[in-house]
Amino acid sequence: KQEVTQIPAALSVPEGENLVLNCSFTDSAIYNLQWFRQDPGKGLTSLLLIQSSQREQTSGRLNASLDKSSGRSTLYIAASQPGDSATYLCAVGGGARGADGLTFGKGTHLIIQP
Amino acid sequence: GAGVSQTPSNKVTEKGKYVELRCDPISGHTALYWYRQSLGQGPEFLIYFQGTGAADDSGLPNDRFFAVRPEGSVSTLKIQRTERGDSAVYLCASSGLAGGDTQYFGPGTRLTVL
Repeated sequence: KQEVTQIPAALSVPEGENLVLNCSFTDSAIYNLQWFRQDPGKGLTSLLLIQSSQREQTSGRLNASLDKSSGRSTLYIAASQPGDSATYLCAVGGGARGADGLTFGKGTHLIIQP
Repeated sequence: GAGVSQTPSNKVTEKGKYVELRCDPISGHTALYWYRQSLGQGPEFLIYFQGTGAADDSGLPNDRFFAVRPEGSVSTLKIQRTERGDSAVYLCASSGLAGGDTQYFGPGTRLTVL
């Protein structure tokens, strides 16, 4: 059974810092990996999707990397802003065409101090 | 275009009652997923539809839970004889044609069983 772990569980940093969130998964036979953010009381917003054949994806100040063989992904946030404060969730997709339900980690609760 | 919508946003019910939760996916998305999120946890997969059929219902916790998608668009998650342990946020997501695509989440329905 796939298990996803996110470290750290919580992180508080001053505005402007670059930071890295970590995600690991136990079964490397994944189809893709997706990073989401979740604001309090809200649904999930997709940030980046990395297919298993890719090494990284970038969107603005966000960069996600994937090392499938070692079962790891990182989300890099550059020049953090108070608006980045949220819970960040990592999820892996499996199945023959990646159509299985996602397996999520518990998330990293991020606070950016103004 | 409109995103994934879910109704109601909040549902309070008494133990033993029957509830229905509705999901309207993004127009044209053939894949639809239900997840359940408890406080402090990541979402947990319940069931996945491809078109009208349930392609994978392995995440449903027991036979009190059932979901339908009769016309391949709107889906309803049905919970019979609700228990206090069913209290959670129920999230719906949809994705494009072949699965393995970005999953787009609705805002969720917060279910409270008293």
